[in-house]
Amino acid sequence: AQTVTQSQPEMSVQEAETVTLSCTYDTSESDYYLFWYKQPPSRQMILVIRQEAYKQQNATENRFSVNFQKAAKSFSLKISDSQLGDAAMYFCAYREGGGATNKLIFGTGTLLAVQP
Amino acid sequence: NAGVMQNPRHLVRRRGQEARLRCSPMKGHSHVYWYRQLPEEGLKFMVYLQKENIIDESGMPKERFSAEFPKEGPSILRIQQVVRGDSAAYFCASSQSKSYEQYFGPGTRLTVT
Repeated sequence: AQTVTQSQPEMSVQEAETVTLSCTYDTSESDYYLFWYKQPPSRQMILVIRQEAYKQQNATENRFSVNFQKAAKSFSLKISDSQLGDAAMYFCAYREGGGATNKLIFGTGTLLAVQP
Repeated sequence: NAGVMQNPRHLVRRRGQEARLRCSPMKGHSHVYWYRQLPEEGLKFMVYLQKENIIDESGMPKERFSAEFPKEGPSILRIQQVVRGDSAAYFCASSQSKSYEQYFGPGTRLTVT
């Protein structure tokens, strides 16, 4: 069964600095997708960034980028120029590419605090 | 384009009562997913439905829980005879098709007293 592990329950970063959140996963599939979701105190789940396993190029969305290491099954999220609004719980998620289901498998989350 | 709608946002039920959670997917989306988030935990998949069909219910508890997504109207997650352990946030997500991103609703926070 696929699993997603986030080993950092909490992280802290100074405003305007850079922080990296770690995520590892386990799967025997070759076709899959990886995601980072943000959950602010409002509890709304917001998609931050997505990576297709078949793409070698790391995904980037403005200040958010990933370091996707397929062989190591690692998928870290880098937040540059951190802002107070980035403070939230961040979840890494996995989804199988083919098959009948489209379910997301989530890690346990990393709570990010941004210090002014 | 309105996002995924869930209601109610907060629901309080006494032990033994029934809870009905509603989810209206985004316009044009025919795939709906339900997830549960227990306090201090990540989201756990419960069920995946496409109009009138349950595609994957591998995450649903075997008893008391059921889900439907009728041809007309919202998807319903129904919990019969609720217990304190059912207290959680229940999130609905929808997608345009199986291979597209899932967009989440704001969740329903269920409290069982």
